[in-house]
Amino acid sequence: GAVVSQHPSWVICKSGTSVKIECRSLDFQATTMFWYRQFPKQSLMLMATSNEGSKATYEQGVEKDKFLINHASLTLSTLTVTSAHPEDSSFYICSARDRSWAGTSKGDTQYFGPGTRLTVL
Amino acid sequence: EDKVVQSPLSLVVHEGDTVTLNCSYEVTNFRSLLWYKQEKKAPTFLFMLTSSGIEKKSGRLSSILDKKELFSILNITATQTGDSAVYLCAGASYAGNNRKLIWGLGTSLAVNP
Repeated sequence: GAVVSQHPSWVICKSGTSVKIECRSLDFQATTMFWYRQFPKQSLMLMATSNEGSKATYEQGVEKDKFLINHASLTLSTLTVTSAHPEDSSFYICSARDRSWAGTSKGDTQYFGPGTRLTVL
Repeated sequence: EDKVVQSPLSLVVHEGDTVTLNCSYEVTNFRSLLWYKQEKKAPTFLFMLTSSGIEKKSGRLSSILDKKELFSILNITATQTGDSAVYLCAGASYAGNNRKLIWGLGTSLAVNP
């Protein structure tokens, strides 16, 4: 149980193009999903919190117009990197919390997707 | 400011050794502490701890939380090469609907045959 998928697993794109990454909770509903970025040998950096049916909450320093997040349903959130540049190359990981545990401490657990390796040329 | 500090940052052991990974936290409105294992891809969930002194165990891995001293440890006994990974600790902060995890930098464990 608690499986999260991410697509694509890796993508290479040209500078200036936009890339969309999908995050799906496969066997549970997720009112909240998180988007992280991770550089080599560094820890997870939270970019934004995505709530179903409302605007995402971005962390300080993350450009919301550059990293567009849409959480259209209880099982799907998307991250679009707009006008990508080489410095956007990174490992992007999403996670989701199980809606059925909302309000409990077990609801703190985040289940991660396998990540998307983005390379911008 | 909320923070989670893990130690050591890296560790190299031989197969069969026992290791203890440390995690101290200062998290406002603390609710729980979570341990994850990250190999080449995304983190996989290991434990969630909410109460002091109650050990959680899964095979050769075990973990315990001390809410008075604000730390947790993760023990791995009889280590195997497959235990080589980065182990991440995170504190869960509850503040209304804005619940998020405060992450440590991780401990990189290398188990040599």
